[in-house]
Amino acid sequence: GNSVTQMEGPVTLSEEAFLTINCTYTATGYPSLFWYVQYPGEGLQLLLKATKADDKGSNKGFEATYRKETTSFHLEKGSVQVSDSAVYFCALRLRGGSEKLVFGKGTKLTVNP
Amino acid sequence: NAGVTQTPKFQVLKTGQSMTLQCAQDMNHEYMSWYRQDPGMGLRLIHYSVGAGITDQGEVPNGYNVSRSTTEDFPLRLLSAAPSQTSVYFCASSPTGSGAYTDTQYFGPGTRLTVL
Repeated sequence: GNSVTQMEGPVTLSEEAFLTINCTYTATGYPSLFWYVQYPGEGLQLLLKATKADDKGSNKGFEATYRKETTSFHLEKGSVQVSDSAVYFCALRLRGGSEKLVFGKGTKLTVNP
Repeated sequence: NAGVTQTPKFQVLKTGQSMTLQCAQDMNHEYMSWYRQDPGMGLRLIHYSVGAGITDQGEVPNGYNVSRSTTEDFPLRLLSAAPSQTSVYFCASSPTGSGAYTDTQYFGPGTRLTVL
C-alpha cells in the first residue's frame, strides 16, 4: 500500500540550530510529495512541495528534495526560529483513485530561545 | 478570498446525537474532502468529492454521510455520534483534473468535536 513514515518527535532545538526531519515513503505509483505545517490551534498549511524526482521544494528557509532512488523527502532548515515551532507533516498524493493525501503521523518541533 | 471555512470551531455532543459540520470554499475547486486528525495517527480521509453530485468513501467512512449539491459546500453529517468520533475534523479543497495529484490541497481551520 501507500504510506509515509516520518521521524518520531517531539524534536526540541535551540534557536539558530539546524533542523532535519526525515521522511520516507512507499507508493504504488509516482507520487507528488508535500510538507504541511500546523501551528498551534490552526489548520494545515502547505509549506513546500515537489512533483517529480530531483525537484527541490523551498519556502521560508525550509527545503526538501524529492529523492526517488531512496524514496525520501527530508525537510531541512539551516537556522530555526522560535516561530517555527509547530507540527510538520510529510504527505504524498497519487494520480487516480481518491487522489487523497496520505500523511505521516507528524513531527512536533519546539524551538527554544 | 476566504479560502476554506468551517463551522463550528468547537462542538460537544452526547452519544447518539446527530449533527452536521459545515465546510465551504470560494476558490471554485472541484475536489473537496474531509479528514479526521487523531493523536499519533496523522490525518485520515473520511469522504471526498470530485464535483457537485459526486461523492465517495475514503478510508474511515463509517458513521459519516456527505452530500455535494453545490461546488462550494461539502457538509459532513454524523448520524449517531459515538465517543470514537471525538477528533479534530478538517475540510480541504483543491483543483481537479489530469494533473490534480500535483496540486496543493487547501485546508480549513478545523472543527474540534468531543462526544461524551
